[in-house]
Order: sequence, then C-alpha cells, then structure tokens
Amino acid sequence: AQRVTQPEKLLSVFKGAPVELKCNYSYSGSPELFWYVQYSRQRLQLLLRHISRESIKGFTADLNKGETSFHLKKPFAQEEDSAMYYCASGGSNYKLTFGKGTLLTVNP
Amino acid sequence: DVKVTQSSRYLVKRTGEKVFLECVQDMDHENMFWYRQDPGLGLRLIYFSYDVKMKEKGDIPEGYSVSREKKERFSLILESASTNQTSMYLCASSSRGRLLGELFFGEGSRLTVL
Repeated sequence: AQRVTQPEKLLSVFKGAPVELKCNYSYSGSPELFWYVQYSRQRLQLLLRHISRESIKGFTADLNKGETSFHLKKPFAQEEDSAMYYCASGGSNYKLTFGKGTLLTVNP
Repeated sequence: DVKVTQSSRYLVKRTGEKVFLECVQDMDHENMFWYRQDPGLGLRLIYFSYDVKMKEKGDIPEGYSVSREKKERFSLILESASTNQTSMYLCASSSRGRLLGELFFGEGSRLTVL
C-alpha cells in the first residue's frame, strides 16, 4: 500500500525566510507525486506535480527516488503562502494517497 | 469555470439518521472520489468511482456507501450516522486522461452528528 509521510504538522517561518515542507513516500513502482494546497476558506487545489518540473508561486519540488522524498521548497516565503499543504502520491489506478498535511504559517 | 459542487455546506444530524451527501461535477470527468478530512489525519479516501455504476472501496469505507447513477453525480450515503462520522467531507473528480492525479475538489460538506 502507498504511504505518504509529512513529518511536520506545523511549520512557522518569518516572511522572507526559506521554507521547506518535507514529504516522504513509499511506493514500489513509479509514483506520481503532487503537492496540494488549501488556503483559508478556499477549496483544496493542485499546487504542482513532479512530472511538470515547474515552479508555481515560487515553489519547487524535486523528486528524489533514492531518498523517496518530494520536499516542497521556496527560497523566500510570503505571508500569502500561509496555508495547509498536502503531499500526495498516485499510482496507475487514478486514486491519490495523501499525507496528513503541514500547516504553514508565515509571520510578518 | 469548471466546478465540483457539493450540495450541502453544513449539516447537523442525529445519531442513527440516514445522511446523503451529493456531489456534481460539470467537467465530464470519469473519476469521482469521496474523502474525509480530519485535523491531524489529513485526507482519507472513503470510496471512488471510475465510471457510472462502478465503485471501489477506499481506505475507510466502513459505515459508508456510494451511488453513481449518472456520470456527473456521485453520492455518499451514511446509512446510520454515528458521532465518529463528524467530519469534513470532500468530493473530487478527475479525468481518466493524461492529467493523472489532478483532482478538482468541491468546497466540502461539514457534517456534525449529535
């Protein structure tokens, strides 16, 4: 069974500081990895996916198969980045397994 | 603007009542999902459906059932609600095509069982 681990429930940083949200996965095949974000009073939405290798809102995430990690990074955090972040992995059957989430707070 | 719409944002029910949560999507997506979202537990998959009249159990199906009679509609049913089913329920849909894993979520239905 797939498993996604986000070790930090809460993460607090100051504006302008770098931020890294950790995610580790366990999957025997070739997983697809995603980061979803939920801002206050908004619906959960896709932030980025590893296959796209793109930067969204200044966030990037690199798939490290050796460490089975997919950490989300941003060099300079902004207050509007405060949200709940979920890492998710998917296989071939269209369903995603989500981590427990990390609540990021960016302080002014 | 594509949409996943959950008919009820807030519900309060009593223990033992039958509860229906409705979800409709307008994107012609094949796949639909029901998750529950609990603080500290993240999102857990209850049931999903990859076609009309098809359903598969997720990770926590006990106490729930689903119905998919039309492609755009996926209903979650609690046959006899219990207090431990108090939660936020999220419906999502996705295309079977190349955008694997890009789920589109509804706003959620917050259910309180007294």
